[in-house]
Amino acid sequence: DVKVTQSSRYLVKRTGEKVFLECVQDMDHENMFWYRQDPGLGLRLIYFSYDVKMKEKGDIPEGYSVSREKKERFSLILESASTNQTSMYLCAGGGGQSRGEQFFGPGTRLTVL
Amino acid sequence: AQSVTQLGSHVSVSEGALVLLRCNYSSSVPPYLFWYVQYPNQGLQLLLKYTSAATLVKGINGFEAEFKKSETSFHLTKPSAHMSDAAEYFCAVSPGSNYQLIWGAGTKLIIKP
Repeated sequence: DVKVTQSSRYLVKRTGEKVFLECVQDMDHENMFWYRQDPGLGLRLIYFSYDVKMKEKGDIPEGYSVSREKKERFSLILESASTNQTSMYLCAGGGGQSRGEQFFGPGTRLTVL
Repeated sequence: AQSVTQLGSHVSVSEGALVLLRCNYSSSVPPYLFWYVQYPNQGLQLLLKYTSAATLVKGINGFEAEFKKSETSFHLTKPSAHMSDAAEYFCAVSPGSNYQLIWGAGTKLIIKP
């Protein structure tokens, strides 16, 4: 069974903290994605990676960075968390062999106080 | 720019009634099309996908969707709604390059007893 796991289901941080969200996939997919989901706004792509050490900005990269040192792991970093980054964060993996199909982790609900 | 439109942010049906969730897309190339479901506080799960085989696609939990190229539509249906179908449903299209997905805004399905 394919799996995408995220390091935390719920996270509470303070304004200004550096936050790491970790995502691991066991499917050997080339591509990995970070989205944020807010009510009424659907899914918005923050960053994606199509290979190790490669990354591309999505639609809303401001305030975020990413790291992909190994194929199976894709990290989202909030350099200095702000209250407007309170959201649900979803990680997904998917590749050419899946013809665009993406496999999602359970999500991390981040609250920044 | 390519886009996906889901008609209705909320759809309410009675238990046992037909479910119809609408999705229209714009794509200049033959697409791959997907429907995902998201239950509260969970990640997204694939319901079904169209990848240029049969135009009528059957998915999990009794859902199906029909690809109509002339109408650029991929509507999701289920003959008889069940309370457990209450969730948010997302339509997505992969235009075929770099395997990003373009997402609709989502439709919340409400089931009335």
